[in-house]
Amino acid sequence: DAGVIQSPRHEVTEMGQEVTLRCKPISGHDYLFWYRQTMMRGLELLIYFNNNVPIDDSGMPEDRFSAKMPNASFSTLKIQPSEPRDSAVYFCASSLVGVLYNEQFFGPGTRLTVL
Amino acid sequence: AQSVAQPEDQVNVAEGNPLTVKCTYSVSGNPYLFWYVQYPNRGLQFLLKYITGDNLVKGSYGFEAEFNKSQTSFHLKKPSALVSDSALYFCAVRDIGRDDKIIFGKGTRLHILP
Repeated sequence: DAGVIQSPRHEVTEMGQEVTLRCKPISGHDYLFWYRQTMMRGLELLIYFNNNVPIDDSGMPEDRFSAKMPNASFSTLKIQPSEPRDSAVYFCASSLVGVLYNEQFFGPGTRLTVL
Repeated sequence: AQSVAQPEDQVNVAEGNPLTVKCTYSVSGNPYLFWYVQYPNRGLQFLLKYITGDNLVKGSYGFEAEFNKSQTSFHLKKPSALVSDSALYFCAVRDIGRDDKIIFGKGTRLHILP
């Protein structure tokens, strides 16, 4: 298996533009997580899905952020409009049953820079 | 609320020496604890977990962690450090009442000096 795939790996955009990050989880995994990592705030869980259904979005910073999982093999995280403070590395992770039984597998991340 | 604390932002160890990365936890109920490692420009990778059983848990790359209930600690250890162990290490704990969500500490940067 190729592991968790994220695209793009790097994104540079200007303030006010829409940004869409993409994730393909490991086949057969039924949990998908979106995290954000910054130097100041460390690693933050934004939202996670179970069987394509959002379970907890309490980490989504504000209404500018939205996430979808239209099917078991694809998820998007959208920021509209983007702001410089959104600059971070965004990780997608997936797991098979739950963290007690299987670890989370992380993608390589998308480094977002908002100018 | 469940939480973990990693008291050291950075740890420096000479190659070949034993290493310890510290983690303390605060939980309601039984603690379910994890260690992850992040190499430069990579996502996090699972190292090991404690659910129940032996207090000494063995994981990947020669790492182990010791669960100490009285001290509420879960320190990561390795008998002999390698330069390639230089990375960012995260301790994590299962969220209360949930089987599917874990909470990460802020991370400790480990530098192994040649």
